[in-house]
Amino acid sequence: KAGVTQTPRYLIKTRGQQVTLSCSPISGHRSVSWYQQTPGQGLQFLFEYFSETQRNKGNFPGRFSGRQFSNSRSEMNVSTLELGDSALYLCASSLRQGEEAFFGQGTRLTVV
Amino acid sequence: DAKTTQPPSMDCAEGRAANLPCNHSTISGNEYVYWYRQIHSQGPQYIIHGLKNNETNEMASLIITEDRKSSTLILPHATLRDTAVYYCIVRVLYNTDKLIFGTGTRLQVFP
Repeated sequence: KAGVTQTPRYLIKTRGQQVTLSCSPISGHRSVSWYQQTPGQGLQFLFEYFSETQRNKGNFPGRFSGRQFSNSRSEMNVSTLELGDSALYLCASSLRQGEEAFFGQGTRLTVV
Repeated sequence: DAKTTQPPSMDCAEGRAANLPCNHSTISGNEYVYWYRQIHSQGPQYIIHGLKNNETNEMASLIITEDRKSSTLILPHATLRDTAVYYCIVRVLYNTDKLIFGTGTRLQVFP
């Protein structure tokens, strides 16, 4: 079956703009989580959703937000982009909260 | 979540076993040990997890010490495609999807 799909794969934005990233989980998976990966900070947890509810949030400013739809698809939004937001954004899904997570290929965001 | 300590890098000859150690001395009784790997520019890939018994699947074996303070991931016959960063993570099962990634071990498999 299809894996976790993230769109777009690459994105270039200008400082001050906002961006929305999309994640389609594996069919049947109800839990979605997001991560940011940068060379300096490594992989950091952003937030997780289960049944359209945010269950956990990492230590990121309020400019980072997300949501999950009834079909389990998820989006994350970053407003007022900063240069430091340039990163690989990864989405992972699991069948139920707490089970092994399967990651997508990520969206590489570059802020200029 | 308990913290883990891994060597920053390791080398392994192709065809030989790669043994990747992980220390998790503050692990709690209800925390599992998970291993993921990340091949360059791809999303992390789940490998294996365990609580206290040794585990084996088609990818690897996981050996957890009796006191659960450390573990070893074994790739029995390493190939060039196993070159990646390997992350050891401890987490409570069925509680959250949150994974706390450390810096991992960069495994280089050479011909």
